[in-house]
Amino acid sequence: DGGITQSPKYLFRKEGQNVTLSCEQNLNHDAMYWYRQDPGQGLRLIYYSQIVNDFQKGDIAEGYSVSREKKESFPLTVTSAQKNPTAFYLCASSMGRDYQPQHFGDGTRLSIL
Amino acid sequence: DQQVKQNSPSLSVQEGRISILNCDYTNSMFDYFLWYKKYPAEGPTFLISISSIKDKNEDGRFTVFLNKSAKHLSLHIVPSQPGDSAVYFCAASVNAGGTSYGKLTFGQGTILTVHP
Repeated sequence: DGGITQSPKYLFRKEGQNVTLSCEQNLNHDAMYWYRQDPGQGLRLIYYSQIVNDFQKGDIAEGYSVSREKKESFPLTVTSAQKNPTAFYLCASSMGRDYQPQHFGDGTRLSIL
Repeated sequence: DQQVKQNSPSLSVQEGRISILNCDYTNSMFDYFLWYKKYPAEGPTFLISISSIKDKNEDGRFTVFLNKSAKHLSLHIVPSQPGDSAVYFCAASVNAGGTSYGKLTFGQGTILTVHP
């Protein structure tokens, strides 16, 4: 079955530590995206990538970093510079062409202790 | 500046009746609109979409209406079922010009509860 896999489901880290969230897709999609959801709010775009080895900042990129070395993978690192990292993180992918929907993984909930 | 707004945080409907979820936007460049359904601790599931050249799109029990002059879209679910209870997000993107890479701007979501 094709889909988007995010791991782990729950992640706990101490303040000041960097943490990397995994996102893998086997849909052969070109574009991948990272969003953050906070309680009572919509999804906000952190980073996105149209093709391998290329990515752009979204609306709230500060304190985050990404890489896109493979088409299937788009890991997100939450650095110690992110002031309020506790949130629900969602990865998505799409064919990357116009007028195409994005499809989402089941998310990772990150809690900073 | 919130470009996509869902002004109703919640909606309660009886099973079998119609559910109408609303969404307003401010960016006139948006030309593709989507609705997603989300259960707690899961990712959003794509439901239905509409491009700005249309004013209506149907898929089974789900119909999306777009009023470009009012910058308003709505999702109708008929008949509503208890399994439809979830958070519904509307989203929009700018596609014309080919530089948006499908970036979506989301509303805050509306919690739909369908009572048996």
